[in-house]
Amino acid sequence: ILNVEQSPQSLHVQEGDSTNFTCSFPSSNFYALHWYRWETAKSPEALFVMTLNGDEKKKGRISATLNTKEGYSYLYIKGSQPEDSATYLCAFSRSQGNLIFGKGTKLSVKP
Amino acid sequence: EADIYQTPRYLVIGTGKKITLECSQTMGHDKMYWYQQDPGMELHLIHYSYGVNSTEKGDLSSESTVSRIRTEHFPLTLESARPSHTSQYLCASSEDRSSYNEQFFGPGTRLTVL
Repeated sequence: ILNVEQSPQSLHVQEGDSTNFTCSFPSSNFYALHWYRWETAKSPEALFVMTLNGDEKKKGRISATLNTKEGYSYLYIKGSQPEDSATYLCAFSRSQGNLIFGKGTKLSVKP
Repeated sequence: EADIYQTPRYLVIGTGKKITLECSQTMGHDKMYWYQQDPGMELHLIHYSYGVNSTEKGDLSSESTVSRIRTEHFPLTLESARPSHTSQYLCASSEDRSSYNEQFFGPGTRLTVL
């Protein structure tokens, strides 16, 4: 059974706070790790695709790291803004297989 | 911006009705997917397709069926809706030789069966 665990389930922060979430996945036969951002009533939007151990990716104030040997990825948001409020999904795949999703971390940023 | 559309966005229907959830993409992607998500739970893959005339069952068993007669269109059908089918259904697509199976999602259909 392949499980992707995300923590925390939900997070409430003040505008300007920096925050981070964790995604844990099985480390064997790793192929790729995806991060998606999903705003209410909109389509999930791809943030990052990460494939190599030690990968670090950045898009504006959001960045992510990957450790394939121990099976985890961190997503960081620097200086959270209300528009960052969304559910952040992590998905993992093995050897070109289908994506296995976690339950997501729901972020609320208060002005 | 991804061009993948789902209709209807919301559907409330009575038990026993036949329903079809529409999904279309204009990106020419070969691979398409249907996911089901219950509140607070993961997206679970219920169907996918490698291309025209290809359909496969996903990891989560579902009473729904799908068809792929045209590349751009991947409808999902429930022959007789039941309250247990109440859920959110998301459609996605990816290129056959995509960047590590990066998927583009539609906005979803929220289905309620009374």
